[in-house]
Amino acid sequence: DADVTQTPRNRITKTGKRIMLECSQTKGHDRMYWYRQDPGLGLRLIYYSFDVKDINKGEISDGYSVSRQAQAKFSLSLESAIPNQTALYFCATSEATVGQPQHFGDGTRLSIL
Amino acid sequence: AQSVTQPDIHITVSEGASLELRCNYSYGATPYLFWYVQSPGQGLQLLLKYFSGDTLVQGIKGFEAEFKRSQSSFNLRKPSVHWSDAAEYFCAVGSRMFSGGYNKLIFGAGTRLAVHP
Repeated sequence: DADVTQTPRNRITKTGKRIMLECSQTKGHDRMYWYRQDPGLGLRLIYYSFDVKDINKGEISDGYSVSRQAQAKFSLSLESAIPNQTALYFCATSEATVGQPQHFGDGTRLSIL
Repeated sequence: AQSVTQPDIHITVSEGASLELRCNYSYGATPYLFWYVQSPGQGLQLLLKYFSGDTLVQGIKGFEAEFKRSQSSFNLRKPSVHWSDAAEYFCAVGSRMFSGGYNKLIFGAGTRLAVHP
């Protein structure tokens, strides 16, 4: 089984709908992250969480919200989806030590019509 | 501010040829450096990382990278490319200081590698 699991893997929805992307991990890491990937832009950080009680905005958090339900679960929500939120979304985890790499899920491809 | 530049958007090589993917970074001190690979439909997989010490680091799948402080570069190399290496490659820079309380990674825009038989 994958260490970082994202659901769903693909989602097509309509403008204005509320969408939740889920991430769960079995690595035992405290830190979790949500990124979006757009062609030619690399990965940009949306939100990150140190632990269940500590959630922080990344560089592109507008239009998104998150919930850290447990150490192992971190969900990303789009309250009212818009077409420019069409992207590939990744969840990642890392140990709470400077310099440790981040470990990624397989991504959710989200299309908003 | 930290930044990462991958000058080549697309690279095509023949199977068996050598490969070098370029990465240049901007950072005020010695950063942590990573290379990740993304195969179609997959997440990012860590190829290798540089923290300190030997500036030539070995990774998985036969890849290596060399940290050159004077050139602010961390280029990825492989002596003989296999068809299965076709993927997108991302260079990332991490701060040795927690920035805003977390270990921030800045990613380059990626280099897409195609391999001809």
